[in-house]
Amino acid sequence: KQEVTQIPAALSVPEGENLVLNCSFTDSAIYNLQWFRQDPGKGLTSLLLIQSSQREQTSGRLNASLDKSSGRSTLYIAASQPGDSATYLCAVGFNTGKLIFGQGTTLQVKP
Amino acid sequence: DAGITQSPRHKVTETGTPVTLRCHQTENHRYMYWYRQDPGHGLRLIHYSYGVKDTDKGEVSDGYSVSRSKTEDFLLTLESATSSQTSVYFCAISEGLAGAYTQYFGPGTRLTVL
Repeated sequence: KQEVTQIPAALSVPEGENLVLNCSFTDSAIYNLQWFRQDPGKGLTSLLLIQSSQREQTSGRLNASLDKSSGRSTLYIAASQPGDSATYLCAVGFNTGKLIFGQGTTLQVKP
Repeated sequence: DAGITQSPRHKVTETGTPVTLRCHQTENHRYMYWYRQDPGHGLRLIHYSYGVKDTDKGEVSDGYSVSRSKTEDFLLTLESATSSQTSVYFCAISEGLAGAYTQYFGPGTRLTVL
């Protein structure tokens, strides 16, 4: 059974720090990996999607990497801001059309 | 934001009563999904649809049924609600299979079963 784990569960950093969120998965036969952001009481917003053939994707201050062989992905956030405070979820996708989500990392960026 | 609405946004009901949640999209996407989100379990897929009248089960489908009679609407029904179905329910859509395409999520429905 595919399992997706995100560590740490919570993280608090001062504004301006660069930080890394981690995601690991047990089955390397994934189709892609996606990172989402969820604000309290809201739905999920897609941040980045990495196809299985890719090693990284970038959007603004965000960079996501994927290492299928080791079952790991990282989300790098540069120069963090208080507005980045949210829960970040990773999800692995399969060619069956299903996504398996991790439980998320809750990030707090303090001014 | 993708044009996805969910109704109702909040509902409190009693054990044993039927409940229907509605997801409506204006994007004409083929795929629609229902998830539930619970502390300690994250997001789990209940059912999904790959076209009008075409649906399939997810990992936690017991106690739930779905219907899709129009491209834009996907209904989730709890035939006889139980307290274990207290959760936040999210609808999502995608142009193609979720494994290959970005999913867009609705704002969620908070359901409490007393």
